[in-house]
Amino acid sequence: QSVLTQPPSASGTPGQRVTISCSGSTSNIGSNIVNWYQQLPGTAPKLLINSNNQRPSGVPDRFSGSKSGTSASLAISGLRSEDEADYYCVAWDDSLNGFYVFGTGTKVTVL
Amino acid sequence: QLQLQESGPGLVKPSETLSLTCTVSGDSISRSGYYWGWIRQPPGKGLEWIGTIYYSGSTFYNPSLKSRVTISVDTSKNQFSLKLTSVTAADTSVFYCVRQGTAVAAGKFDPWGQGTLVTVSS
Repeated sequence: QSVLTQPPSASGTPGQRVTISCSGSTSNIGSNIVNWYQQLPGTAPKLLINSNNQRPSGVPDRFSGSKSGTSASLAISGLRSEDEADYYCVAWDDSLNGFYVFGTGTKVTVL
Repeated sequence: QLQLQESGPGLVKPSETLSLTCTVSGDSISRSGYYWGWIRQPPGKGLEWIGTIYYSGSTFYNPSLKSRVTISVDTSKNQFSLKLTSVTAADTSVFYCVRQGTAVAAGKFDPWGQGTLVTVSS
């Protein structure tokens, strides 16, 4: 079964910009929208970006999403200590009658 | 304010059936037009979608779990439930219930329940 590939880790100092990639295929990212989730330590994930690049109410504009072809990216600008968390992308996959596939997850560390 | 709460045994024996219920408050499962789902996360690992249900009873399952999973809905109790049969230690996870968007493929899981840890062990 396919998965979406993310780098296991990313880091930056406060104020820097960090970008996380999410690589998929034509059957998932290439055909469907991508959403991003933030999971702070010991808590349930929280919707961060939906429909490729839309921020839900309450999400700071420091977070932005984009998609091109079979890849998507999450950018965090003006990195803050409270951004230290795990980040996951997710997309619907059209194969095998359809199913959701999550990214492998990226741990963001604020140095 | 919409809230979801998982409930069920925290310990299940190998080969037995794991059963969890998600109670929804602040909205009606049958009125809202949303899909509802289950997602799990093994300790220290990533997220895995288990399946999704609509209030009408239509279901969508992860192909890798489909033979062992049943998701059902009880609109009179505003609850939906998960059953996972023939569990092994590999099924030990935190299980989350979520509300999805109004399209099954939208992937908009929001909000999430707080999660419940289910350990498979004799």
